[in-house]
Amino acid sequence: DAKTTQPPSMDCAEGRAANLPCNHSTISGNEYVYWYRQIHSQGPQYIIHGLKNNETNEMASLIITEDRKSSTLILPHATLRDTAVYYCIVRVALAGGFKTIFGAGTRLFVKA
Amino acid sequence: GAVVSQHPSRVICKSGTSVKIECRSLDFQATTMFWYRQFPKKSLMLMATSNEGSKATYEQGVEKDKFLINHASLTLSTLTVTSAHPEDSSFYICSARNGETQYFGPGTRLLVL
Repeated sequence: DAKTTQPPSMDCAEGRAANLPCNHSTISGNEYVYWYRQIHSQGPQYIIHGLKNNETNEMASLIITEDRKSSTLILPHATLRDTAVYYCIVRVALAGGFKTIFGAGTRLFVKA
Repeated sequence: GAVVSQHPSRVICKSGTSVKIECRSLDFQATTMFWYRQFPKKSLMLMATSNEGSKATYEQGVEKDKFLINHASLTLSTLTVTSAHPEDSSFYICSARNGETQYFGPGTRLLVL
């Protein structure tokens, strides 16, 4: 089972910041939070990941609460091309590795 | 970022035939690859974890004799859908692990007539 919950859909105006929340209240101390997005009919695209510190890259920022039970992905200036399904993922550890279980994700609509 | 390719991108086959889908990591070696399937407007469902040089680990409910996985090298994993039926029509996506990050292929759309 996916270990995260996200709102099913969100709207955002073009040029504004898109803030996508994610709850992961059962996260373990050594588990990372990953964000991917999937544009229609394509494979998922890696966005960002973090453990407990906030992270920023050229695509987005990731804000993780101090108790690590939730996080927010921020797209600072959303464009129409950011319309996609965004998945927040906590990986499930395996012996010698991990597996990634996808939840339902958040469908983000960026509107002009 | 790391690149993962899939071939073919789409395939149409007759019911009862077998279809092979290839997944390649183009600029890194991947000891672990994953196979997912996705139905329209649904999330990705993990089918199996493929480990180079050993048998794949299948998720509960996935028939290992139906979906044959071979991870013969550090850059190639194949998924063969055997005796395909219309209900096997789906979007199949592979991914490869590069360190702590997982990168996804563009997907293969399978249509079984």
